[in-house]
Amino acid sequence: KNQVEQSPQSLIILEGKNCTLQCNYTVSPFSNLRWYKQDTGRGPVSLTIMTFSENTKSNGRYTATLDADTKQSSLHITASQLSDSASYICVVSAGTSDYKLSFGAGTTVTVRA
Amino acid sequence: EPEVTQTPSHQVTQMGQEVILRCVPISNHLYFYWYRQILGQKVEFLVSFYNNEISEKSEIFDDQFSVERPDGSNFTLKIRSTKLEDSAMYFCASSEPGDLRVTNEKLFFGSGTQLSVL
Repeated sequence: KNQVEQSPQSLIILEGKNCTLQCNYTVSPFSNLRWYKQDTGRGPVSLTIMTFSENTKSNGRYTATLDADTKQSSLHITASQLSDSASYICVVSAGTSDYKLSFGAGTTVTVRA
Repeated sequence: EPEVTQTPSHQVTQMGQEVILRCVPISNHLYFYWYRQILGQKVEFLVSFYNNEISEKSEIFDDQFSVERPDGSNFTLKIRSTKLEDSAMYFCASSEPGDLRVTNEKLFFGSGTQLSVL
């Protein structure tokens, strides 16, 4: 069964600090991995998309890494801002005939001044 | 930036009633999706739609659910006889020509419709 597990479930950081979120997946065969940011009451917004051949991808202060061998990904937030407070969701696409995406439960990040 | 729009933002209905959730995908997109998120739970796939037909659906998408693209811009999700457990945030999404198995196909989500079944 395709699964995506994220950790930690939630974290609180001070404005200006860095943090790293983890994602482990068992989706097979793997096609790509996406990180989304979801503000409360809003739809998810795409941050990065990586294929198995990509190790790192950045989008501003967000940097995602992927280790396809260990089936792990991380999202690093640099110099956090109050607006970074949101849920960050790891989503994995399987390379099958499905159009389904497997969503993680998300990590809730709270940035405090 | 173009965006997916959903209406209404909130819908309250009585159990057993029919509801229609409406979405306007991004204009040049060809793939359309519905997802739902029960409060405190993961986002779940419901259905994908391409070329005026369902491409894929999940086990959640039973006979009570249907989708339609009645014209060139709208994409709707109908729940024929709502149940309490249908209460959730329903997200519409669309992607550019191509599908989500292909690399770098960005999926754009709407802001969702919060459905409350009483």
